[in-house]
Amino acid sequence: DTAVSQTPKYLVTQMGNDKSIKCEQNLGHDTMYWYKQDSKKFLKIMFSYNNKELIINETVPNRFSPKSPDKAHLNLHINSLELGDSAVYFCASSQDRDRGRGYGYTFGSGTRLTVV
Amino acid sequence: SQQGEEDPQALSIQEGENATMNCSYKTSINNLQWYRQNSGRGLVHLILIRSNEREKHSGRLRVTLDTSKKSSSLLITASRAADTASYFCATDGMGSQGNLIFGKGTKLSVKP
Repeated sequence: DTAVSQTPKYLVTQMGNDKSIKCEQNLGHDTMYWYKQDSKKFLKIMFSYNNKELIINETVPNRFSPKSPDKAHLNLHINSLELGDSAVYFCASSQDRDRGRGYGYTFGSGTRLTVV
Repeated sequence: SQQGEEDPQALSIQEGENATMNCSYKTSINNLQWYRQNSGRGLVHLILIRSNEREKHSGRLRVTLDTSKKSSSLLITASRAADTASYFCATDGMGSQGNLIFGKGTKLSVKP
C-alpha cells in the first residue's frame, strides 16, 4: 500500500542512452511532480502536472520530458543522457495544487541515476 | 531562484537536547512547510504553517513563522537518535505556480 512508488530505485546507464523512470501514486491526488536532488542535497523542481496543466521549469533541458498516461502516473523520460544528469530523482504528489494550497507533498523513495 | 535557506547547515546534539533549525526565504508565501529526509530515503512531510499563522505545534515539533522577517524556525524538543536526518524547509510562494521550493537543508545528528 505504498502511496507514491517509483521504479527503478537504482539506474546505472551509459552516456547517450535514453531511459525512463516510472512513478505511480494511489492517493487520488490531482498533481504530480518531479524533483532532482543533486549531490549537495539541493532539491530542484523539474515539472509539475495535473490534468489541466504542465508546468516546466525553464532551466530543465528539453532532453527531459514528463509523460502522464493518466492521473495516477507521471513518468520521466530522459534522452541522450549526460554525466551531469547523475542525481537522485524524486516523484511527489499533492492534493489540488491550485486550491487550498495547504497540502503537503507525498514523496516517493527516489531513483538514484548514475550516468557513466 | 532558490527560495529557502536553512541555518545551520549541520547540527550535532546529544539525545534529550532540543534542536533548533532556521529557514529564511525571499518572496511572499502562501505557506511554509518542513520536511525530514532520512539517509537514502524520500522526504516526509512534517508540518505546514500558513502565512497568517505565527506558531504551530505537532508532537515534539514547534514551528514559528515571522513573515515580516521572512523566516521560520523548527524546534524539535527532547531529541532522539531516531531524529537524525536532514530537515528541509519549503515554501509555497505566491509566484511559484503552486510548486514547493526547497532550501538546502540542515543535517541533524542526534547522538545517543
